[in-house]
Amino acid sequence: EDQVTQSPEALRLQEGESSSLNCSYTVSGLRGLFWYRQDPGKGPEFLFTLYSAGEEKEKERLKATLTKKESFLHITAPKPEDSATYLCAVQVNTGNQFYFGTGTSLTVIP
Amino acid sequence: NAGVTQTPKFRVLKTGQSMTLLCAQDMNHEYMYWYRQDPGMGLRLIHYSVGEGTTAKGEVPDGYNVSRLKKQNFLLGLESAAPSQTSVYFCASSWGTGNTEAFFGQGTRLTVV
Repeated sequence: EDQVTQSPEALRLQEGESSSLNCSYTVSGLRGLFWYRQDPGKGPEFLFTLYSAGEEKEKERLKATLTKKESFLHITAPKPEDSATYLCAVQVNTGNQFYFGTGTSLTVIP
Repeated sequence: NAGVTQTPKFRVLKTGQSMTLLCAQDMNHEYMYWYRQDPGMGLRLIHYSVGEGTTAKGEVPDGYNVSRLKKQNFLLGLESAAPSQTSVYFCASSWGTGNTEAFFGQGTRLTVV
């Protein structure tokens, strides 16, 4: 069964304190792995797509990496405006659906 | 550029009532999806469509029906609402097969009492 697990469930960081969020997956065949940001009361907002192991993508203070079993979202010197829930999703070769993890709620304290 | 628009944003239903949620996208996307989001459960796929006139079941389809009569619209229906259907519903759309991200609407918060 295709499965996506995110950890930790919640993370509190001081402003400037770098850390990483984890997304581990077990799927029959990975087509793509997606990272989203979700603010309270809003829909998920697309951040990155990763297609193959070894791939990395960056956007401002965020950097996403991918291995054969997991993806990391690295946050460097976070700011309070980075506070949000970060969602990971996978798309498999055998279908058109996206399977989502339960997310990591990030709080950055000034 | 509106993207994905959901109507309504909030709704309260009584058990047994019916309603339809409307999703409209202006990006000419082929694929559209309906998800529900519950605390601790993440986003779960209800139904999806790979093109006008097509629909398919997702992970949690029971109690819901969908229709895609026009490419830009995807309707989610609840024929007889139950308290277990209290949730936040999100519509999304994407270009199609291949590695393409999904774009989400702002959500509909539905409460069934």
